Amino acid sequence: AQSVTQPDIHITVSEGASLELRCNYSYGATPYLFWYVQSPGQGLQLLLKYFSGDTLVQGIKGFEAEFKRSQSSFNLRKPSVHWSDAAEYFCAVGDEDSNYQLIWGAGTKLIIKP
Amino acid sequence: DADVTQTPRNRITKTGKRIMLECSQTKGHDRMYWYRQDPGLGLRLIYYSFDVKDINKGEISDGYSVSRQAQAKFSLSLESAIPNQTALYFCATSEGQGAQNTGELFFGEGSRLTVL
Repeated sequence: AQSVTQPDIHITVSEGASLELRCNYSYGATPYLFWYVQSPGQGLQLLLKYFSGDTLVQGIKGFEAEFKRSQSSFNLRKPSVHWSDAAEYFCAVGDEDSNYQLIWGAGTKLIIKP
Repeated sequence: DADVTQTPRNRITKTGKRIMLECSQTKGHDRMYWYRQDPGLGLRLIYYSFDVKDINKGEISDGYSVSRQAQAKFSLSLESAIPNQTALYFCATSEGQGAQNTGELFFGEGSRLTVL
């Protein structure tokens, strides 16, 4: 069955430190991959997406993600986090065959230490 | 004003009551969705609509119904609410054409429903 796994429920990092949020997927077709962010009390906002081409994709707010087909991963990174990055982050996967209906990970809550 | 507006933002109701959550959008998108968010479960798709005449069940449609009144409006109904429908509900929209646009969802701010 198709699935998306975000192994870390919570991650705590110090402000200014680097960040990596993990996302692994199990998917039969060539996936399209997304990261969304949900700030407290808000809806979700797209950070970045991968459809094809360069496996390192840049997103908004200084985030990037790298698609590694051999590892079935699409990890999200940021070199230096800011207190405003505290939020919940969701990885999602879709493809043409599913008419782009997304399968979502359970989310990772990012906590920033001052 | 928000591009995707959900009403009400918060609602507390009792078991057995009928509840409607409404969603309207000004993005001009054809596709609209209703998701449910529960802690630790991510988002789960309830229903989706690709245009006014096209409505499809998602993975957890039981106990829910929808109505697409116009391109801009998509409402979710719980005919007889039960406590395990307590959750945060999101409406979202997306463009209908082009792989590069599809999959990018635009979300409302959510409707928190509590069923006692």
